[in-house]
Amino acid sequence: GAVVSQHPSWVICKSGTSVKIECRSLDFQATTMFWYRQFPKQSLMLMATSNEGSKATYEQGVEKDKFLINHASLTLSTLTVTSAHPEDSSFYICSARLESSYEQYFGPGTRLTVT
Amino acid sequence: GDSVTQMEGPVTLSEEAFLTINCTYTATGYPSLFWYVQYPGEGLQLLLKATKADDKGSNKGFEATYRKETTSFHLEKGSVQVSDSAVYFCALTHQLDDMRFGAGTRLTVKP
Repeated sequence: GAVVSQHPSWVICKSGTSVKIECRSLDFQATTMFWYRQFPKQSLMLMATSNEGSKATYEQGVEKDKFLINHASLTLSTLTVTSAHPEDSSFYICSARLESSYEQYFGPGTRLTVT
Repeated sequence: GDSVTQMEGPVTLSEEAFLTINCTYTATGYPSLFWYVQYPGEGLQLLLKATKADDKGSNKGFEATYRKETTSFHLEKGSVQVSDSAVYFCALTHQLDDMRFGAGTRLTVKP
């Protein structure tokens, strides 16, 4: 149980376009989902925390107008990278947390390459 | 704020060698502690966890004990295999807070 999926697993887009990444909890309801960014050979950096039905909370230094997060249901959160640039190329990982639980379950990640 | 410090890698071992990856933390109260493993091109998988002092987490031959007195959660395995080659992350969280990760330690096991 507690499986989290991400789609797509990898995407290549042109500079200036927008890309949407989906994060789904497949067999449980997640009131809270997290979005992380991971640069090569580095640790995970928390970008934002999203709660179902409310606005996401962004970490300091993360542009909320560039990284749009929508948590419209208890099983789906989306991250849209708007007007992507090559420096946005990275590995994006989401996680989901069960209500009233401290455990996070991680998705397999999405590799974004902006050309 | 809370933080996690891991030993720097990379770590290279021969098959069947003993593994230790050190992890220490700074936190108020009693956080929950985790070890995650990340295989190339994949997301994080929970390896083991401990939620209170003196708890020992174990899975797939890996072990780690929550040591409050030394604020440590060192990962150990008695005999590593080539398939254990991956990046290992130590992490902590307080109830319902976001998770804090260490920098990760890359392990390579050679046959």
